[in-house]
Amino acid sequence: ETGVTQTPRHLVMGMTNKKSLKCEQHLGHNAMYWYKQSAKKPLELMFVYSLEERVENNSVPSRFSPECPNSSHLFLHLHTLQPEDSALYLCASSHGTGANVLTFGAGSRLTVL
Amino acid sequence: DQQVKQNSPSLSVQEGRISILNCDYTNSMFDYFLWYKKYPAEGPTFLISISSIKDKNEDGRFTVFLNKSAKHLSLHIVPSQPGDSAVYFCAASARGGSEKLVFGKGTKLTVNP
Repeated sequence: ETGVTQTPRHLVMGMTNKKSLKCEQHLGHNAMYWYKQSAKKPLELMFVYSLEERVENNSVPSRFSPECPNSSHLFLHLHTLQPEDSALYLCASSHGTGANVLTFGAGSRLTVL
Repeated sequence: DQQVKQNSPSLSVQEGRISILNCDYTNSMFDYFLWYKKYPAEGPTFLISISSIKDKNEDGRFTVFLNKSAKHLSLHIVPSQPGDSAVYFCAASARGGSEKLVFGKGTKLTVNP
């Protein structure tokens, strides 16, 4: 596989569930990101990892917990989410951080009931 | 407060005509700008960028114009093709592109055959 792969593509969960989103990149990039896209809102940066270390946490609630075990994989662990957390969650990667061109995955569409 | 604004949620043009997508920004520190295109069920893909040292950048049918005094940039697509139908996101960064990207809400372009 090439590019940035996200699984699952669709997820429906209750507010008491625990689930995880997975992202994998095969581009040799050293930075990975989680973005949130809600309806009629700009893309919101959630987390940035550079060389497997978290370098940015954009005031994201603790019910979202990222994990970057290596430079190719990124997870977003979800726990006790709220209905307003329903959104498209996009993973991206790049060479370095900042505005280097981001390569995005197709996203995971999350619905919280 | 939105720092990157795309005030037109949608735009419809005829095939072969010019499409002009607009973007305004408020942060005078922004000096690097990008456009991304997003098809349904896919992640955003990089289209074209421009640095504040330039006022125009061209890549095939796509040209981005930057007016720093007006804090305005625009993406021109000539000629428009049905395959250009997508959501276009404007993004900006400061410090020569080393700061994180700030995205607009996007403009949905429909090119009618």
